[in-house]
Amino acid sequence: EIVMTQSPATLSVSPGERATLSCRASQSVSSNLAWYQQKPGQAPRLVIFGASTRATGIPGRFSGSGSGTEFTLTISSLQSEDFAVYYCHQYNNWPRTFGQGTKVEIK
Amino acid sequence: EVQLVESGGGLVKPGGSLRLSCAASGFTFSSYAMNWVRQAPGKGLEWVSFISSGSSYIYHADSMKGRFTISRDNAKNSLYLQMNSLRADDTAIYYCVREEVGSFDYWGQGTQVTVSS
Repeated sequence: EIVMTQSPATLSVSPGERATLSCRASQSVSSNLAWYQQKPGQAPRLVIFGASTRATGIPGRFSGSGSGTEFTLTISSLQSEDFAVYYCHQYNNWPRTFGQGTKVEIK
Repeated sequence: EVQLVESGGGLVKPGGSLRLSCAASGFTFSSYAMNWVRQAPGKGLEWVSFISSGSSYIYHADSMKGRFTISRDNAKNSLYLQMNSLRADDTAIYYCVREEVGSFDYWGQGTQVTVSS
């Protein structure tokens, strides 16, 4: 099983600042990596797939990068609606696995 | 508009069974692979099961093998999860999820399953 490790567990950021979230895979997942956003009481929402492609309706301030084992989600200028938990997810191998999540909170 | 609506959750005793359903609309259900993903209270996401568009390929997470069975009825635009021998650690919100080239592009709102005596 591929273990996905996200860091940090919690990121405190002021509105308007940049947020950088990391995800590391225990073995290569190529570019088969997605990011999801989850707000309290809601289902997750796809943000990035293919490591760097924004999903439909996702604003341009979200960007993804990386391949192999190291991935990054960057939110260039945090808006109030971006404070949430973010999960990475590999779909290169079975079983599909998720990271434990990074909570982006208001500083 | 893509819609995925889960039902069938509830309170069940340890060792009991439940059958979850997911009604899909707003897209050609028979063209997409589907998944179940769960989330225990206060915890992260855990993939449960996958079924290909034509049911040819089925995968379950190891901890669910032999207890959970995923199935679908393309004529009824419906996805199912039969859960047997339920344990307390199966308590979670269960999400019905559409898959698009591997990533999970649409999620239902989830159905709560609670396993407790």
